[in-house]
Amino acid sequence: KNEVEQSPQNLTAQEGEFITINCSYSVGISALHWLQQHPGGGIVSLFMLSSGKKKHGRLIATINIQEKHSSLHITASHPRDSAVYICAVNPMTGTASKLTFGTGTRLQVTL
Amino acid sequence: GAVVSQHPSWVICKSGTSVKIECRSLDFQATTMFWYRQFPKQSLMLMATSNEGSKATYEQGVEKDKFLINHASLTLSTLTVTSAHPEDSSFYICSARAGLGTYEQYFGPGTRLTVT
Repeated sequence: KNEVEQSPQNLTAQEGEFITINCSYSVGISALHWLQQHPGGGIVSLFMLSSGKKKHGRLIATINIQEKHSSLHITASHPRDSAVYICAVNPMTGTASKLTFGTGTRLQVTL
Repeated sequence: GAVVSQHPSWVICKSGTSVKIECRSLDFQATTMFWYRQFPKQSLMLMATSNEGSKATYEQGVEKDKFLINHASLTLSTLTVTSAHPEDSSFYICSARAGLGTYEQYFGPGTRLTVT
């Protein structure tokens, strides 16, 4: 079992829909990251959080440390949001700076 | 936000040759850089952690003599794939951490290596 699990693996939505991607992890963490990878391959760091909630534009990320769960929400989705969204954590044990990655959620937003 | 560049963005080389990939932090000093490889539709796999001025720490199963990493300055790390083989064809991505007190990582745009 992976230390970081994401759901769903694939998601298709129509433009304008509200989207939620979930991430569950099984280890104690120092921080959790949401990353976005476009088809060209480049990765953008969307959020880093260790508690509570963060918002940037149409994106919202929440984390519940007690439940070891995080969600990424996209409001008013748009085709340009189509990408792979990756959840990654900094585990408390081992080398703190190393990231453990989820397998990603492939999002396709259609017109 | 902080910017990390990689060069080249793509490279094609013949089997048996060596290829060098550069990773630069453009507007911050990176005490630590990470090198990943990614196969199609798979997640990133950490290859090694590179600290400025010291030897890189390789992950289990990664051949240090094949994947040479140098982090000679606070803004530049290089990955050299030596004696490349077709199975080394992959997408290589670096990331950089700005300092010891942060978990924030900034990713480069990646380098697609094809070995023929």
